[in-house]
Amino acid sequence: NAGVTQTPKFRVLKTGQSMTLLCAQDMNHEYMYWYRQDPGMGLRLIHYSVGEGTTAKGEVPDGYNVSRLKKQNFLLGLESAAPSQTSVYFCASSHWGGRAYNEQFFGPGTRLTVL
Amino acid sequence: AQSVTQPDIHITVSEGASLELRCNYSYGATPYLFWYVQSPGQGLQLLLKYFSGDTLVQGIKGFEAEFKRSQSSFNLRKPSVHWSDAAEYFCAVGNFGNEKLTFGTGTRLTIIP
Repeated sequence: NAGVTQTPKFRVLKTGQSMTLLCAQDMNHEYMYWYRQDPGMGLRLIHYSVGEGTTAKGEVPDGYNVSRLKKQNFLLGLESAAPSQTSVYFCASSHWGGRAYNEQFFGPGTRLTVL
Repeated sequence: AQSVTQPDIHITVSEGASLELRCNYSYGATPYLFWYVQSPGQGLQLLLKYFSGDTLVQGIKGFEAEFKRSQSSFNLRKPSVHWSDAAEYFCAVGNFGNEKLTFGTGTRLTIIP
């Protein structure tokens, strides 16, 4: 049981390049989330999904797109990377058992640098 | 809207000393409260959570937290810290019917010998 995994672990992009971050979970969780973590700002929600084929915007969605074609995968895309998107990106998942207090399980993170 | 405040950006304690990390939340109804720990270069791991019942909750690694509704607080405590507790700690709040959590900005804990 690997939990939540993220690919890649590190990436360096030039301004204007595109890339996709992959998140996979093997816990059969319904909900999945993408956060970015910046110094002094905690975790900010980018996009999230409450089930296969659904996505919703979080707190800071601009410049990102997401897709949830399979229940176990949640992709985060940057179409035209900007230096402001330099950050550490975390994926998380949680089980919806009819209760909102189920914990979120986090992946190890992807460190992205945009030059 | 729910919000979380962690007023201490950085705390330094001696190994073996007691620890208290502060967390204040803003939400009208009964919140669901969480403490996560992040070791350097790692993801976040749940320490403990509160959603109802006993206001003093026990977590992993010897941590506990107390929910105080009158103070809108959920402070994290440990009676004796170990060098391995050096990490960043995040408080988070959720609520019934909302699938999202709101995180505080974190408190970085340094342990000195």
